[in-house]
Amino acid sequence: DAGVTQSPTHLIKTRGQHVTLRCSPISGHKSVSWYQQVLGQGPQFIFQYYEKEERGRGNFPDRFSARQFPNYSSELNVNALLLGDSALYLCASSRFGQELKTGNTIYFGEGSWLTVV
Amino acid sequence: AQSVTQLGSHVSVSEGALVLLRCNYSSSVPPYLFWYVQYPNQGLQLLLKYTTGATLVKGINGFEAEFKKSETSFHLTKPSAHMSDAAEYFCAVSGGSNYKLTFGKGTLLTVNP
Repeated sequence: DAGVTQSPTHLIKTRGQHVTLRCSPISGHKSVSWYQQVLGQGPQFIFQYYEKEERGRGNFPDRFSARQFPNYSSELNVNALLLGDSALYLCASSRFGQELKTGNTIYFGEGSWLTVV
Repeated sequence: AQSVTQLGSHVSVSEGALVLLRCNYSSSVPPYLFWYVQYPNQGLQLLLKYTTGATLVKGINGFEAEFKKSETSFHLTKPSAHMSDAAEYFCAVSGGSNYKLTFGKGTLLTVNP
């Protein structure tokens, strides 16, 4: 079975532009989470979705938004890009979205590298 | 709230030497602890995790970690470093009502020939 797939793998945007990043979870997984990893830092939680509903949100501005589709894939949208949004954006999937409450595993994709110039 | 502190942003060892990467956590609920590895330009791969039970946890590639509640630590070790171990390592915590992982800032491991 395919793992978590993310697209695009790399992209360059200009300040003020908008970007959409995409994630397809592992087959059978209904939950998707997004993390931002700035160079030299650990990943930081942005959103979690389960069954198309937002279950959690990290400390990110309203310029960041996401949604989950009926096939459980997800999009992360970032508006009015700033230089500081340059980062690796990681998507993780899990079957029920509750796994981390019980110490079970979530599975990460390879990430999308966003450079804002 | 939960937090993770990784002591040492960069650790350098010789091939064949002991690897010790330090992780301390803070959690108001029983923690679940994870170590992830990230190779250059790749995503995160789970090395090992502690949930409950045995406090010494063995993972992939010869790594192990010991959960010490009294010291709020979860240090990662490997008896003999290999060149292929060169990567960035992240400690993370979850638990309680948390639906997210909280990561440390990472430790870059360099292995010298």
